[in-house]
This record gives sequence, structure tokens and C-alpha cells, in this order.
Amino acid sequence: DAGITQSPRHKVTETGTPVTLRCHQTENHRYMYWYRQDPGHGLRLIHYSYGVKDTDKGEVSDGYSVSRSKTEDFLLTLESATSSQTSVYFCAVQGLNEKLFFGSGTQLSVL
Amino acid sequence: AQSVSQHNHHVILSEAASLELGCNYSYGGTVNLFWYVQYPGQHLQLLLKYFSGDPLVKGIKGFEAEFIKSKFSFNLRKPSVQWSDTAEYFCAVNGGSQGNLIFGKGTKLSVKP
Repeated sequence: DAGITQSPRHKVTETGTPVTLRCHQTENHRYMYWYRQDPGHGLRLIHYSYGVKDTDKGEVSDGYSVSRSKTEDFLLTLESATSSQTSVYFCAVQGLNEKLFFGSGTQLSVL
Repeated sequence: AQSVSQHNHHVILSEAASLELGCNYSYGGTVNLFWYVQYPGQHLQLLLKYFSGDPLVKGIKGFEAEFIKSKFSFNLRKPSVQWSDTAEYFCAVNGGSQGNLIFGKGTKLSVKP
């Protein structure tokens, strides 16, 4: 499963606080993604990365930033969390033949 | 812009019934097509994928999907569902620029024992 680890698995925070989610992979894959999953919306791409320090926006990038200083780590930051960012966040890694491997998800609640 | 439509939000079937979940996409060029499954409390897993060749693709757990280019469709099928197939199913399309995988909103399948 491409050795993907997301942390934390669960997070409860207050509106206005910064939050960082981490995605770690062990197989040196180039492409990494952050998605959010919400009822009625399915999966929506937030940001993705195609290499160290190379990132691009997805369809719902407002309010989020990312960083990729090492191949193995892709960080998603909510600079000032809002209640609309309560969601389940999935990291994904693209392996061979464009197959995506997903992490187990991070349940984030913003109160 | 690419988009993916899954026609059914929630499908309820009895065990042994046949399943077909619809997926249509909009994109004029060559596409790669995927079905993912998310079992309750678990993360997404790949069911099957189509890149080229035989438009009838067989995946894990008895699932298959047929790519019909003229209809821009990639419907998921299973002849006889089991209670363990209860999950949410996502269709996804990748076309054009690398990294731009678009998901449908998902179809929740509930199978009654």
C-alpha cells in the first residue's frame, strides 16, 4: 500500500487556530495529493505535489497551503481553521501505472 | 473542464441481486478511468482501472466495468452482490494534465443480508 502514514488520525481544534496534517510515504513516489471527503461531494482535490518544492492547487485550495521539503513528506496546513474545514482528509500517493494509494484519513473537527 | 457524474446517491439491494452503478464523464481526449471503493471505517482502495485495450475490465471481488467511449460511460457491475459489498463507490477520471484526477460524488451501496 505504498507505505502511507497520515498523522494525526483524529484532530479537534478551535476556529482560528492553525492546523498541520502530515502525510508520510516510504517508497519515494513523486506525486502526492491531499483530498478532502465530504458527504454529497465525494473526494475533492485540495493540493498536489509533483516533486520536492513543486506543488499546485486543486479545486478547493482556498484556506489551505502545502509544503514538500522532502520526497517522503507532504504537509497540509490550515492557517486559520474554519468550521467549513471540518472534514475527512485523505493523502494519496501515485504509484506505477497511475495507481493511487490512499492513506487511512484524518478526521478533523473544527469547533 | 473535466467532470464525473455518478447517477445514484444511494443504492439498496438484497444479497444475490445484480448491481450496476453508473458513471459518466466529460472530457474530449484520452482518459484513464477508475473505480475506488471505501468500506465502512476504511480508506479508499482501487477496485479496477481502464487505460486502453479491452473495454471490459475485470477487477477484484468479482467486479467489472465497461468503458463505452461513445457514451462517455464507465459503469460498474457485479452479477451477484454480497452483504460484504456494502460500501461507498467512487468513479474517477484522469485526463489531460498529470495529477488531475477527478472523482465523482460517490454512490453508497447498502446490501441487505
